[in-house]
Amino acid sequence: DAKTTQPTSMDCAEGRAANLPCNHSTISGNEYVYWYRQIHSQGPQYIIHGLKNNETNEMASLIITEDRKSSTLILPHATLRDTAVYYCIVRVGEGGGNKLTFGTGTQLKVEL
Amino acid sequence: KAGVTQTPRYLIKTRGQQVTLSCSPISGHRSVSWYQQTPGQGLQFLFEYFSETQRNKGNFPGRFSGRQFSNSRSEMNVSTLELGDSALYLCASSFREGYNEQFFGPGTRLTVL
Repeated sequence: DAKTTQPTSMDCAEGRAANLPCNHSTISGNEYVYWYRQIHSQGPQYIIHGLKNNETNEMASLIITEDRKSSTLILPHATLRDTAVYYCIVRVGEGGGNKLTFGTGTQLKVEL
Repeated sequence: KAGVTQTPRYLIKTRGQQVTLSCSPISGHRSVSWYQQTPGQGLQFLFEYFSETQRNKGNFPGRFSGRQFSNSRSEMNVSTLELGDSALYLCASSFREGYNEQFFGPGTRLTVL
């Protein structure tokens, strides 16, 4: 699985958009970008995933650059409950097994 | 639909003992994976089971083992516990192998004294 690089920490004001970047310059053509988050003392929670097109669901949007070497997770209106560690993971999609290789993630702190 | 359940939630053991942790996946899910989380190493993959077969294994010593039952419930066992085995052990379930979304349980906090 390709390695990812994320900033260690980020701050965001409540109600504003939180934009979390991820670099995955060695991603392969059959690898997807997944985002999970972990709120303190809980198990990780799936957020969104994508291959090359931008994706949006009820939680977030995922923007993947055209060369697929980086991506950005966008929380459109961050709330205090979005304070968590956000993990960007690259792995083969369906059919490739379930192993997730977690990096150190980005600690997002949403403040009033 | 009930989420992934793990038992026990907290456990204290002493060095040299063994421990068994249990994971009940979401109903209908046949794939179960296990992870270890420590402050120093972060989240690390232990192993993955599907239809009672181990499909993938992480880089852990043989003291760590697991199994999956016909009802998809899974157990992991750690023998000859070491202080460094103190960690949060997380279980994740998904509908099938390679499925995009995995659902994590709350974890079992193991403390080795």
